[in-house]
Amino acid sequence: AQKITQTQPGMFVQEKEAVTLDCTYDTSDQSYGLFWYKQPSSGEMIFLIYQGSYDEQNATEGRYSLNFQKARKSANLVISASQLGDSAMYFCAMREGWGAQKLVFGQGTRLTINP
Amino acid sequence: DAGVIQSPRHEVTEMGQEVTLRCKPISGHNSLFWYRQTMMRGLELLIYFNNNVPIDDSGMPEDRFSAKMPNASFSTLKIQPSEPRDSAVYFCASSPGQGAHPNTEAFFGQGTRLTVV
Repeated sequence: AQKITQTQPGMFVQEKEAVTLDCTYDTSDQSYGLFWYKQPSSGEMIFLIYQGSYDEQNATEGRYSLNFQKARKSANLVISASQLGDSAMYFCAMREGWGAQKLVFGQGTRLTINP
Repeated sequence: DAGVIQSPRHEVTEMGQEVTLRCKPISGHNSLFWYRQTMMRGLELLIYFNNNVPIDDSGMPEDRFSAKMPNASFSTLKIQPSEPRDSAVYFCASSPGQGAHPNTEAFFGQGTRLTVV
């Protein structure tokens, strides 16, 4: 079964607009972490933000925030005031449980920011 | 810290040849992951280690693939014999392992772009 689902293969947004990238997950664990990574055209994987399953507040990191809806099992990434440099692939990932647990990724969303 | 170091960055080889990809994790990290990225299949977890021991190799596509971690600072992913369908970007990542909070992210290397012709 797919653990992480990203339903938007591609998105096009005007510069300076806010954008929401969707991510839903599937787990029976009570303790888990959700992550977002950015992969620009250069290919490296850049960690952006994480949300713990017990965190009551939505995570924020600069222009990035995570809209965490536990009951819906969704962890959407919100990018405010988008910039041309935000054009990249974005991956949602999940780690279940404690300790040495694997990090499983979704298929990704390709975000293109138009000037 | 230098981060996760992978070598080579690019590899072109002929079908049937043996290929060895190398990874040096971040010092102090107990978990190491090998991923493969292709357009068709996205980011697939091939295998991961904790304290140099393979924990889950269910993602290894077939017997042609093998991975080792002889010590805490080095891992290899070997493909023998290589085939054109093995062409992909292979990433190594590391994170704090045993006892680590599930919120601990994985740090990725720059990847190895493998082309099998």
